[in-house]
Amino acid sequence: DQQVKQNSPSLSVQEGRISILNCDYTNSMFDYFLWYKKYPAEGPTFLISISSIKDKNEDGRFTVFLNKSAKHLSLHIVPSQPGDSAVYFCAASGYGQNFVFGPGTRLSVLP
Amino acid sequence: ETGVTQTPRHLVMGMTNKKSLKCEQHLGHNAMYWYKQSAKKPLELMFVYNFKEQTENNSVPSRFSPECPNSSHLFLHLHTLQPEDSALYLCASSQAARGEKLFFGSGTQLSVL
Repeated sequence: DQQVKQNSPSLSVQEGRISILNCDYTNSMFDYFLWYKKYPAEGPTFLISISSIKDKNEDGRFTVFLNKSAKHLSLHIVPSQPGDSAVYFCAASGYGQNFVFGPGTRLSVLP
Repeated sequence: ETGVTQTPRHLVMGMTNKKSLKCEQHLGHNAMYWYKQSAKKPLELMFVYNFKEQTENNSVPSRFSPECPNSSHLFLHLHTLQPEDSALYLCASSQAARGEKLFFGSGTQLSVL
């Protein structure tokens, strides 16, 4: 049973528009969330994090929103650029436990 | 460059071979991890080492044998693997185990014939 779900395997967005990647979790003990980006033939690289005491965290073009009651978080990229095309993983941890990763969403930003 | 180096990048081996994957981190971290990524599946945690001591073995078959001689180096020894073990094997490190941001290497793409 997957504790972290990314229900969209893929997403295509036009350059300059907003990309919204979604992540749902089932474990209410999760209190710290990360987003990673992965290019082919490379390891995942950290993008942005959020802890459960906040509902929003912003870093440049990337914003993560957390809705604790819905057990849902989303990553917004605006404006989207072709270099953002990659697989995005959501990961969650609770009370200092090891991170649980979602299956990833492949984002394609079209020029 | 994330500060975590994995070798080799690619490995093809037969089911009777013995090979080893190597990972080195230059970040001064105390925890190191092995993850497995199979096609279209989430990253699966295999092993965790904290200050050179193994703190987690996620029900991994004994044909995978980890070794952590110090906080900077981690190995994964492979023996009599099965074709279904073909996957991307990722090493990661963090300042401390559990709940700390992970830094990943580029991975070893393993094919078992």
